[in-house]
Amino acid sequence: GQNIDQPTEMTATEGAIVQINCTYQTSGFNGLFWYQQHAGEAPTFLSYNVLDGLEEKGRFSSFLSRSKGYSYLLLKELQMKDSASYLCAVGDYGQNFVFGPGTRLSVLP
Amino acid sequence: EAQVTQNPRYLITVTGKKLTVTCSQNMNHEYMSWYRQDPGLGLRQIYYSMNVEATDKGDVPEGYKVSRKEKRNFPLILESPSPNQTSLYFCASSLGGGGGETQYFGPGTRLLVL
Repeated sequence: GQNIDQPTEMTATEGAIVQINCTYQTSGFNGLFWYQQHAGEAPTFLSYNVLDGLEEKGRFSSFLSRSKGYSYLLLKELQMKDSASYLCAVGDYGQNFVFGPGTRLSVLP
Repeated sequence: EAQVTQNPRYLITVTGKKLTVTCSQNMNHEYMSWYRQDPGLGLRQIYYSMNVEATDKGDVPEGYKVSRKEKRNFPLILESPSPNQTSLYFCASSLGGGGGETQYFGPGTRLLVL
């Protein structure tokens, strides 16, 4: 079966660091994606991991452990505009993508 | 500007009245896909297409049809909509499918079926 888990909601303070976890069990694995989605808007691409390890891109970093079926998205120096939902998605075998339920992050002043 | 467009953006209809949501991309992408997004369930894939005349079912295809007659267009058809198809729908495209290719999403279509 296919299953991707993320925490439903998280809250953090402006300027802080937050880590959003994602665990997955899918029938295949062709890479893991993180997307950001502001309320009422389309998801936008943040990061992609296919090999184990950390990928850093400015204030955002993403980590992958394929053996553990685990990834996290790390957001540093949080800003109010980072309040959004963060979606974890796995590229499955075949040509489809499987998304997790998303984590709604609230950044407080 | 590279983009995915969807129309209409908002639609209210009644049970059983056939409707089509259009999707078009101008990036010459081979892969296109339709998702629905419901609270607590995240994005669920309805159908995807690897190229012209090549479509396949995603996780929740029941009640939907698609076609891919041209590379740029991938319409979603609801032959007989029902209230449980009330949802937010996104079209997406990428160079390829599955691994390694970033998907670009359209702005979404909010559908209410009464």
